[in-house]
Amino acid sequence: GENVEQHPSTLSVQEGDSAVIKCTYSDSASNYFPWYKQELGKRPQLIIDIRSNVGEKKDQRIAVTLNKTAKHFSLHITETQPEDSAVYFCAASIESGGYQKVTFGTGTKLQVIP
Amino acid sequence: DADVTQTPRNRITKTGKRIMLECSQTKGHDRMYWYRQDPGLGLRLIYYSFDVKDINKGEISDGYSVSRQAQAKFSLSLESAIPNQTALYFCATRGQSNEQYFGPGTRLTVT
Repeated sequence: GENVEQHPSTLSVQEGDSAVIKCTYSDSASNYFPWYKQELGKRPQLIIDIRSNVGEKKDQRIAVTLNKTAKHFSLHITETQPEDSAVYFCAASIESGGYQKVTFGTGTKLQVIP
Repeated sequence: DADVTQTPRNRITKTGKRIMLECSQTKGHDRMYWYRQDPGLGLRLIYYSFDVKDINKGEISDGYSVSRQAQAKFSLSLESAIPNQTALYFCATRGQSNEQYFGPGTRLTVT
């Protein structure tokens, strides 16, 4: 089955700096890669996603890059703010004919220091 | 997101007891999922269902069972709870888009 590794497990940055979280996956059939943010005591929520036919996607201060050959993808947060503090999960998913099976990484706890 | 609800929100039970966690959704989604979250282990899939007649095991289904009573309801049961089933449990749904919508979670403690 799919295996998703996520690094680092914890990350502290100064407010205004950038943060990068990296994930690798094992199954070359995976074709959809979402990122979820989970604030303390809250439910995970989708913040950005990317499909395997795209190399990069941006949404304001967040961006995701995908390297299919190397089977890794990354989340980039620029100009970090205290409200970015949360646990971030990457995931890899196989999408085929309406079937979706998602495998999550183990999470990165991001702390933005004011 | 009040469209996906879970009951109870917190539960303490004893080893050997049977317990049911319930999930309801008003989003009209066919696909529903049960995950457990443990510190350092992320979200792991227990069971998933693509419609009322389709139920599939996830990566950690041992010790759990599910019931899809209707499109809107998906229940997770622990037939005989054990302490290592202490975790935060999330239900999720998915519609036509790829986004999964999570419920608020149920914190289960087995003593």
